[in-house]
Amino acid sequence: GAVVSQHPSWVICKSGTSVKIECRSLDFQATTMFWYRQFPKQSLMLMATSNEGSKATYEQGVEKDKFLINHASLTLSTLTVTSAHPEDSSFYICSAITSAAYNEQFFGPGTRLTVL
Amino acid sequence: SQQGEEDPQALSIQEGENATMNCSYKTSINNLQWYRQNSGRGLVHLILIRSNEREKHSGRLRVTLDTSKKSSSLLITASRAADTASYFCATSGAGSYQLTFGKGTKLSVIP
Repeated sequence: GAVVSQHPSWVICKSGTSVKIECRSLDFQATTMFWYRQFPKQSLMLMATSNEGSKATYEQGVEKDKFLINHASLTLSTLTVTSAHPEDSSFYICSAITSAAYNEQFFGPGTRLTVL
Repeated sequence: SQQGEEDPQALSIQEGENATMNCSYKTSINNLQWYRQNSGRGLVHLILIRSNEREKHSGRLRVTLDTSKKSSSLLITASRAADTASYFCATSGAGSYQLTFGKGTKLSVIP
């Protein structure tokens, strides 16, 4: 149980285009989802916290107009990278928590974004 | 914000040896967790230790927590080649679900 999926697993896009990444909790309802970014050989940096039905809370330094987050249901959150640039190339990972186990985050497998 | 820092940054050992990784953080915490990440993959939760606990075991894993020193260690006993991965500690504060990750230790277990 507690499986989180991400789609796509990798994507290559041209500079200036937008890319949408989906994060789904497959067998549980996720009250909160988190989006992280990880650059090569570095740690995970929290980008934003997403609660179902409300606006996401962004971490300092993360542009909310560039990284659009939608959490329309208890099983799906999406991250859209708008007007992508090469510096947005990174590994994006989502995680989810349930109301029954706030302490444990269940992580998706990640999405590798490459912007040409 | 609190940030975990692991040391060493990289560790290379022979199969069968024990591997010890350390993590330090800056502010008070509610709990500390250890995760494993295989190259290019998502994170796998290994173990959670609460602020009022000092030691926890799970299979070949042993985690200690010293809140007075704001540090934790992860010991993997009898390492296997399959243990090769990056290991991260992550902390969360009281009343927060958010995790703050350390920089990680890259462990290589040589067969």
